[in-house]
Amino acid sequence: GAGVSQTPSNKVTEKGKYVELRCDPISGHTALYWYRQSLGQGPEFLIYFQGTGAADDSGLPNDRFFAVRPEGSVSTLKIQRTERGDSAVYLCASSLSVVETQYFGPGTRLLVL
Amino acid sequence: KQEVTQIPAALSVPEGENLVLNCSFTDSAIYNLQWFRQDPGKGLTSLLLIQSSQREQTSGRLNASLDKSSGRSTLYIAASQPGDSATYLCAVEKVRGGGNKLTFGTGTQLKVEL
Repeated sequence: GAGVSQTPSNKVTEKGKYVELRCDPISGHTALYWYRQSLGQGPEFLIYFQGTGAADDSGLPNDRFFAVRPEGSVSTLKIQRTERGDSAVYLCASSLSVVETQYFGPGTRLLVL
Repeated sequence: KQEVTQIPAALSVPEGENLVLNCSFTDSAIYNLQWFRQDPGKGLTSLLLIQSSQREQTSGRLNASLDKSSGRSTLYIAASQPGDSATYLCAVEKVRGGGNKLTFGTGTQLKVEL
């Protein structure tokens, strides 16, 4: 079956702009995770959803970052007033439940000029 | 705060060699540990998952061990092949409030040369 998909695969934007990154989880997966991977680093946890609600958003770096999952399936990560330091690969993962293995998407590579 | 360290950061070996990648973590209160593979431009693929009660897991040419008390794990790759070239990440999971967010190391970039 289809895996986790993320769009766009690449996004170039200018400092100060607003961006949205989309994640389509594996069908039926109730848990969805966002991670951010900076160059040369491992992924860092941002937020995870159980169904429609954000169960843990402790990894969001500041209030410019926000994520939603209104119908418990697709999720959108929103970044306001982008800064050059936001440049990274944003990874999404989903799992059948919060105690099951996470399956990762290919990521969205964000470059803020 | 959990910190995960991987050594070496990069490794280049000739084809056929056996090799060991190391991972250490500061908080031994983990639920499990996973080893992932990451290819350029692609997502992460889970290779092996070791529960905290287990000592090792094997899959084909890969063997991962876990010593929770000392905060260490190793990934052993036997008879390496050029197709093994990738970045290898270890990640620990600590269940808290029902979630299972992963804490990753910085990875080991492996190159297997012909």
